[in-house]
Amino acid sequence: DAKTTQPPSMDCAEGRAANLPCNHSTISGNEYVYWYRQIHSQGPQYIIHGLKNNETNEMASLIITEDRKSSTLILPHATLRDTAVYYCIARPGDSNYQLIWGAGTKLIIKP
Amino acid sequence: SQTIHQWPATLVQPVGSPLSLECTVEGTSNPNLYWYRQAAGRGLQLLFYSVGIGQISSEVPQNLSASRPQDRQFILSSKKLLLSDSGFYLCAWISGAQAVEAFFGQGTRLTVV
Repeated sequence: DAKTTQPPSMDCAEGRAANLPCNHSTISGNEYVYWYRQIHSQGPQYIIHGLKNNETNEMASLIITEDRKSSTLILPHATLRDTAVYYCIARPGDSNYQLIWGAGTKLIIKP
Repeated sequence: SQTIHQWPATLVQPVGSPLSLECTVEGTSNPNLYWYRQAAGRGLQLLFYSVGIGQISSEVPQNLSASRPQDRQFILSSKKLLLSDSGFYLCAWISGAQAVEAFFGQGTRLTVV
């Protein structure tokens, strides 16, 4: 699985867009980019995933660069409840492959 | 809809005592099930995974074991807990079909004293 690197922490003002970067320069052609978040003392929650195209759902948008070496998770209107650790994972879209978890980015939304 | 249940939420156990954490899944069949441990401020470390009844794979050598007695039940055990077994334990499942997302239980915070 490709290794991902994320900043250890970020702040964002409530109501603004939160943009969380992730580098995955060694990503393979069959590896998807997955994003999860973990609110303190809870299990991780799936947010979104993508392969090449940008993706959007009710929670967030995922922007993947054309060379697929990096991506950005966008929370369009951050709320205090979005404070969490956000994990970016690159992995083939096959359940036989494991999710390799790094330390993630601790996002703090400030009022 | 699919749900995953994990209990207990918190547990304090003395060193040398046994451990049994249970995880059950509803709303799916033949799930791939996982046990993770998370140290404070760190990412998740995969301990065990199972692709079916009686099939257990261990990722790291340790003082713990896992069993899968039924399709939707996954159990994490220890005969004698060590202080280093303290942590946040999470059960997860991924659909047996082409994986899109993993679903996690709410976790068990284990403190060995």
